[in-house]
Amino acid sequence: GAVVSQHPSRVICKSGTSVKIECRSLDFQATTMFWYRQFPKKSLMLMATSNEGSKATYEQGVEKDKFLINHASLTLSTLTVTSAHPEDSSFYICSALTGETGTEAFFGQGTRLTVV
Amino acid sequence: KQEVTQIPAALSVPEGENLVLNCSFTDSAIYNLQWFRQDPGKGLTSLLLIQSSQREQTSGRLNASLDKSSGRSTLYIAASQPGDSATYLCAPAGSYQLTFGKGTKLSVIP
Repeated sequence: GAVVSQHPSRVICKSGTSVKIECRSLDFQATTMFWYRQFPKKSLMLMATSNEGSKATYEQGVEKDKFLINHASLTLSTLTVTSAHPEDSSFYICSALTGETGTEAFFGQGTRLTVV
Repeated sequence: KQEVTQIPAALSVPEGENLVLNCSFTDSAIYNLQWFRQDPGKGLTSLLLIQSSQREQTSGRLNASLDKSSGRSTLYIAASQPGDSATYLCAPAGSYQLTFGKGTKLSVIP
């Protein structure tokens, strides 16, 4: 299957600082990538849809000024958590669509963010 | 709004048993449905993709079925192994967006 690489896998940061998470499609081009957040024992929650060359589409309730998404190329999307607070601590996962029909989703390894 | 329910929430079986994981969804207007596994602290690994026009897909010891009209999918795992222990998630896709259930946590006991 296709490979989506996410970096870093773990990050600890201080309150008030910003953290950038990268999501790369290694062997295919992805015009659209998705960012999810996962709480313990909960479903994955779609945060935003990242579109190459245009603004991201955020889900209801997700602060676009806190979670900045940039999709500057066909293989890279970044999520920046700005002015992080402890409640932003979570597991963040990205995905991209590819496959024969362009509708199969592949996911990155996830990033565990801890804000202290 | 699509809602996905997975039953059971947790399942523990002895090695070698065959098992079935269930998934139901409320909106049958889907493009496809994927089954994933997630190991603790890791991302999701795609197991099977069933297009909306298909009834089932098979990969090795895994077989997934889809009944779109009734909003149900099942994942059948044959001859379970300890390495199958993980959380299994189903995700119907509508408008190319996936909706996830909470998953079934599977433990296969050696």
